[in-house]
Order: sequence, then structure tokens, then C-alpha cells
Amino acid sequence: KNQVEQSPQSLIILEGKNCTLQCNYTVSPFSNLRWYKQDTGRGPVSLTIMTFSENTKSNGRYTATLDADTKQSSLHITASQLSDSASYICVAFGNEKLTFGTGTRLTIIP
Amino acid sequence: KAGVTQTPRYLIKTRGQQVTLSCSPISGHRSVSWYQQTPGQGLQFLFEYFSETQRNKGNFPGRFSGRQFSNSRSEMNVSTLELGDSALYLCASSGRDISYEQYFGPGTRLTVT
Repeated sequence: KNQVEQSPQSLIILEGKNCTLQCNYTVSPFSNLRWYKQDTGRGPVSLTIMTFSENTKSNGRYTATLDADTKQSSLHITASQLSDSASYICVAFGNEKLTFGTGTRLTIIP
Repeated sequence: KAGVTQTPRYLIKTRGQQVTLSCSPISGHRSVSWYQQTPGQGLQFLFEYFSETQRNKGNFPGRFSGRQFSNSRSEMNVSTLELGDSALYLCASSGRDISYEQYFGPGTRLTVT
């Protein structure tokens, strides 16, 4: 059964600090992995999309890594800002289906 | 380029009624997918339409249906509403199909009382 598990479920950090969110997936065959940022009450916004042959991809202060062998991905946020407070959703695509994680709720405090 | 738009943004319906939600994809995008998002379940896939044909379907009852028009605009219909249908309904468009990057709309918040 295809699954995507994210950890932690929630995270609180101080403004300016770095953090890393984790995503483990069991999707076969695997094609690509996506990270989305979703502000409360809004639609998700794409941060990165990586195929199985890509190891890392950056989008400003967001850097995603992918290890297709261990089926793990991480999203690293550098120098966090208050506007980074949101839910971060990991999504794996494979076998013509999208499998969504339940997200990590990140709160940045001043 | 305008993003994905969804109407209405908010809706309150009574149990047993039906509702129709609308989605306009990014210009040139032919794939439109619909999702239900609830706090407990996260994002769940409803269905995908491409060139007016339903290409994929999630595990939702037949009360949930959709269609796509020749201009790629899509509608989703829920009949005989239940309290559990209260959710944020999101639409996403893609240039080709769901294997490619998707762009989400702001969603329609449906409350069933």
C-alpha cells in the first residue's frame, strides 16, 4: 500500500533558526516527490518537485533532499521567518497516483 | 498568467442538499484534479479530468461527481450532503497530467449544517 509519513507532526521554532522536516514514503514504482507549503485557509503552493534521479533542489531558503534508495526526503528551512508558519505537505507520485502525507504544522515565534 | 480560481470561496449548506463547486484552471492547462481536505484526513484525491474525460478517481462515494468542459473549466457536484462533507475542497491544474507539477486554487470552504 502506498504511504507517505511525515515527521514531526508539529514543530515550534524561534524566528531566525533553521529546521528540517522529514518525509518517508513507500510508493512503488516511484516517479517524483513534491513539497508544498499551505498557509491556513489557502491552497497549497509548490516549493519543489524532484524526480528519483535528483538528490537536492533549492527554492530560496527552502532546500529539499531526496534519497530514492532509502525512500526518504527532507525539507530544510534556513533562517526561518514568521511567514514560514504554515503546514508543509510531502507528496509522492508513483504508479499514476499521488500519495499525500498529512503534513507538518510549523510555527515560527518571534 | 492568472492562477487557478475557485468559486464560491465559502458555502453553507444544509444536510440533504446538493452543491456545485467550480474551478477555472490556469490558461492552457488541460488537467484538473479535485481534492477534499479535512483536519483529520489531510488531502484526499477525488478525481482528475483531462480533456473532458475522467482519468482517475479516488475512493469516494458516487455522491461525488464532476465534469470538465471544453474550455477546461471543471465543476464538482456533491449530492445529498452529509455533515462529514464539511471540508475545504481544492482544485489543482496541471499542464499535462498529475505526474507533472500541480497548481492549486484557494479552495472552497463548504460547511454542512
